[in-house]
Amino acid sequence: GAVVSQHPSRVICKSGTSVKIECRSLDFQATTMFWYRQFPKKSLMLMATSNEGSKATYEQGVEKDKFLINHASLTLSTLTVTSAHPEDSSFYICSVTRGLIVQGNEQFFGPGTRLTVL
Amino acid sequence: LAKTTQPISMDSYEGQEVNITCSHNNIATNDYITWYQQFPSQGPRFIIQGYKTKVTNEVASLFIPADRKSSTLSLPRVSLSDTAVYYCLVGDLNTGGFKTIFGAGTRLFVKA
Repeated sequence: GAVVSQHPSRVICKSGTSVKIECRSLDFQATTMFWYRQFPKKSLMLMATSNEGSKATYEQGVEKDKFLINHASLTLSTLTVTSAHPEDSSFYICSVTRGLIVQGNEQFFGPGTRLTVL
Repeated sequence: LAKTTQPISMDSYEGQEVNITCSHNNIATNDYITWYQQFPSQGPRFIIQGYKTKVTNEVASLFIPADRKSSTLSLPRVSLSDTAVYYCLVGDLNTGGFKTIFGAGTRLFVKA
């Protein structure tokens, strides 16, 4: 399967600071990347769909001004958690896909980034 | 809202075959069914994908009945390392793009 990297793998920050998480598709150009958040013992929750060269599409209830997504190239998408607070502490996971899911192309997930806000 | 329903948890013993069934009553014509495995503090890992009938790969089989309203992931002869959460997903067309929604998943616990 495709290789997807995330950086950093874990980050601890103080409340009020901003944190940037990078997601890279190493094997192919990803027109679409997804960002998920996962709390302990819970399922993945889709936050937004990141499209290269255009604005991200956010899921209902996800604040776009708080979670800034930039998909500047076909291999890199970044998620910036602005003014992070303890409730933003979570496991953030990105995924990439070559094309439409309906064409049978699966998503390839990154290893995740553990964010802890003190 | 998740479009799939799975058992919350399952227990098994090493060497047994495990079947996890997923219900997706509202599956659309163009939706594919995909199963993922997730270990703690890791991203999900693709297991198998199918559209109809049966699909088999080196790690699992996927059975999909003709009405496609459910699917069953079959793991032959599980080992302790198969203890994980298994997610069933169906593709979801949406305005402006597409997305997949994760359900609650099934926690499989394999015992010695």
